[in-house]
Formats: sequence, C-alpha cells, structure tokens
Amino acid sequence: GAVVSQHPSRVICKSGTSVKIECRSLDFQATTMFWYRQFPKKSLMLMATSNEGSKATYEQGVEKDKFLINHASLTLSTLTVTSAHPEDSSFYICSEGREGTDTQYFGPGTRLTVL
Amino acid sequence: ILNVEQSPQSLHVQEGDSTNFTCSFPSSNFYALHWYRWETAKSPEALFVMTLNGDEKKKGRISATLNTKEGYSYLYIKGSQPEDSATYLCAFSLAGSARQLTFGSGTQLTVLP
Repeated sequence: GAVVSQHPSRVICKSGTSVKIECRSLDFQATTMFWYRQFPKKSLMLMATSNEGSKATYEQGVEKDKFLINHASLTLSTLTVTSAHPEDSSFYICSEGREGTDTQYFGPGTRLTVL
Repeated sequence: ILNVEQSPQSLHVQEGDSTNFTCSFPSSNFYALHWYRWETAKSPEALFVMTLNGDEKKKGRISATLNTKEGYSYLYIKGSQPEDSATYLCAFSLAGSARQLTFGSGTQLTVLP
C-alpha cells in the first residue's frame, strides 16, 4: 500500500516561534493531501485540503494565516504553524488522497508541544 | 455539525474472544464509511471503505457491516489476538465532498494474552 511519512515525529518549541511539519508521499504523486489535528481524547479534525500547485482549502474556523500550507510538489506538502502558542500544542497528521479511490493513506503524525 | 459516535470508547477482551464495536453517523446525504486501525506510534491503516447499504466486507478475522438507512456500521473481530490491540476509527463522508472525512473518537481495544 501507499506510504506516507511525516517529519518531525515530535517537536517542542518556544511560544512565538514557527514550526514546519513535512508530509511526504513516498510511492505516489499526490495532487491532494489532507491535514488533520487531534486534541487529547478527541477525534481527528480536518484542518485543510492541500492541493498541489494551488492554494489550500481551509475548514471553517481554521486560521489560514496561522496554519500555512504549501504543496509545491507532488510528493511534499508542508504545514507551518506560525507564531506558535501553547494552545497550538496538538497532534498533527497528514494523509494523501488518490484519484479513483476513496481511501486516504496516513502519515504517522507529529506531536507538537509549545512551551 | 456532523457527528460520528463510536462505542464503546475502550474495551478489554481476552485472547480468543470475539468482539464488536459500533459506529453511528448521520444517515442523510451519505457517501462512504471508512474503518481504520491505528496502532500506537504508527500510521492509521485503512481496513474498509463501504458505500452501499447492506455492504459487508471481510479481511481475515475482521469484518464490517453497513446500514446507511439507520446510520450505523459494526466492526467485528473474530478470535481476538494481542496484535489486534489498537484504536479502531471510523469516518464518514458526504455526497459531494467524498474526500472530507469526519472521524469518530475511536474505540481503543486491548486484547489480553
């Protein structure tokens, strides 16, 4: 099956700094990737849909200037949490979607802790 | 707000027991129901995608059923093994936005040897 990697798996940063999370599709050219966030004891919440070569589509309530998404190539999408604050501490996970299938293939996720 | 409910939240069973969990979702404008298995420190693994009312799918000892009219899906594990220990997530999507998945909170299964 598809393999999706994420880097880093865990990051701790100071409040006010920006953090970039990478999501790579290792065996497929993904025109569409998805970014989710999971709060403790809660479900995965879709944040945005990342489209290669065009602007991301953000879900209602997600600040696009806060969570910058770049999908410059068919194998890489990045999520940058800008000016991070403790309330941004969460688990972020990406997935790739493929034409012709409804299945999404997930990365292993990134645990962000903002001090 | 679309709501997906999974029950139970957590479950402990003995090795060899069979078990099942429930996923409830809004029945209107339904497109697809997904089941994923998520082991700690790994990527969620796709188990099934079901779209038709009455669908039944099977993968080894794991099977799933779908009732779109009443808005529920069951996941069954026959003869549970310790390696089945994981969180089982369901997610559904609506017609017209098939790729936007709404997830439940998952059922955490622990199989005791």
